[in-house]
This record gives sequence, structure tokens and C-alpha cells, in this order.
Amino acid sequence: QKEVEQDPGPLSVPEGAIVSLNCTYSNSAFQYFMWYRQYSRKGPELLMYTYSSGNKEDGRFTAQVDKSSKYISLFIRDSQPSDSATYLCATQKAAGNKLTFGGGTRVLVKP
Amino acid sequence: DARVTQTPRHKVTEMGQEVTMRCQPILGHNTVFWYRQTMMQGLELLAYFRNRAPLDDSGMPKDRFSAEMPDATLATLKIQPSEPRDSAVYFCASGLVPGSGETDTQYFGPGTRLTVL
Repeated sequence: QKEVEQDPGPLSVPEGAIVSLNCTYSNSAFQYFMWYRQYSRKGPELLMYTYSSGNKEDGRFTAQVDKSSKYISLFIRDSQPSDSATYLCATQKAAGNKLTFGGGTRVLVKP
Repeated sequence: DARVTQTPRHKVTEMGQEVTMRCQPILGHNTVFWYRQTMMQGLELLAYFRNRAPLDDSGMPKDRFSAEMPDATLATLKIQPSEPRDSAVYFCASGLVPGSGETDTQYFGPGTRLTVL
């Protein structure tokens, strides 16, 4: 079993809808939680970065971490066709250490 | 616009051949990571360096893979001999440690797409 589990999708939504993504993890040593976006044939790029439990908002994106249930979420409001990509959750035991990724969820936002 | 560069972007080779991939981290970054991405396994760490010293290469098949940092501006990943199961996209990422908050972020290059026939 992988340390970080993520539904592969694909998740198809109409433009303007809320996209809800989530991951679960098994290792309580993870302290840092990230969401990366990866467009086709590109490298992952950081979207959100959270330390420990709590919420973080940045524009249309909200990241939530619940360490008690080992559950991390990403919400995208007012989704746009340009949000169509694969979203990867990632965890880290300490700053600067390796990232452990979920398998990624492919999202398609239809105009 | 600082970014991680990787060469080559694409590589097709035959089984048994040596493959060398290169990465130029963002200037000033002191940590370099090599990840491999496949459909089956997703993104997995192969090795990483800090201040050019290897910190963790537990994800790398050591009988055929080797990673080095000849200097602060160049990281290399070699596969010898290559096998079809090595076909994947290899990403280099760099970061600055210690940092604070998002300055610990890893910035990914565009990847090298390797096909071993």
C-alpha cells in the first residue's frame, strides 16, 4: 500500500463548478503538505503549501489538512478550462526533504 | 525567470545502451532531487543532494543507476545498461534549504522522456 493515496479520476466538471480533490496518507510523520498541478508533458508546479493542520486560501484555491484523520483536500472555485490538468498531492516529513506523492487526479473542466 | 533546465528533453535508445541525463538547478539552490514518473508508479524519488553531497539514493537501483553533482550548477543521472523498464519521464527539481515556508519548495524541470527499446 502506498503512503499517499489519491483517486486517479478522471474528474469531469462544467466550467464554473467547484472541483474537490483529496488524498489520504498513512504516515503520521508527514508535517508538510502540498498540491502540485501538472499539465500534459510538463513538470509539476506548486499550487499550495501547508504546514500541519488547517486551511489555506489563495485566490480560487483552498487547501485543507486534517492530520487527525490523515486527510488533505484541495478545492478549486469557479473552475476554468485552463484548470484542466493532473493534480498531485505531496507530503514531506521535514522541510527540504523528499516529497512523497499521490498518484495524481486528472481533472477536466468543460466549457 | 529562473527555472530548472534538463537535457535532453527526449531520448530513445536501445536496451543495453548508456543514458546520461543532465540538470541545471536554479542558481543559488543547494538541493537537487531526481524523480521518476511512470503511469504505474507515479512520481517517485530516485536520489537527492544537498550542497552537492548525496543525502538519499535509496530509491535508485544502484546496480545500473548513478547520480552525481560534478559542480553546483550541474547534476547528472546515468543509467548503464538501460532496460525497457527504465522507460519513464525523469524529473529534476531544485530547492533552497534552509528556507522558510514556501522557499522550501521544490521547483521542477520539464523532464526527460526516456524510451528504451
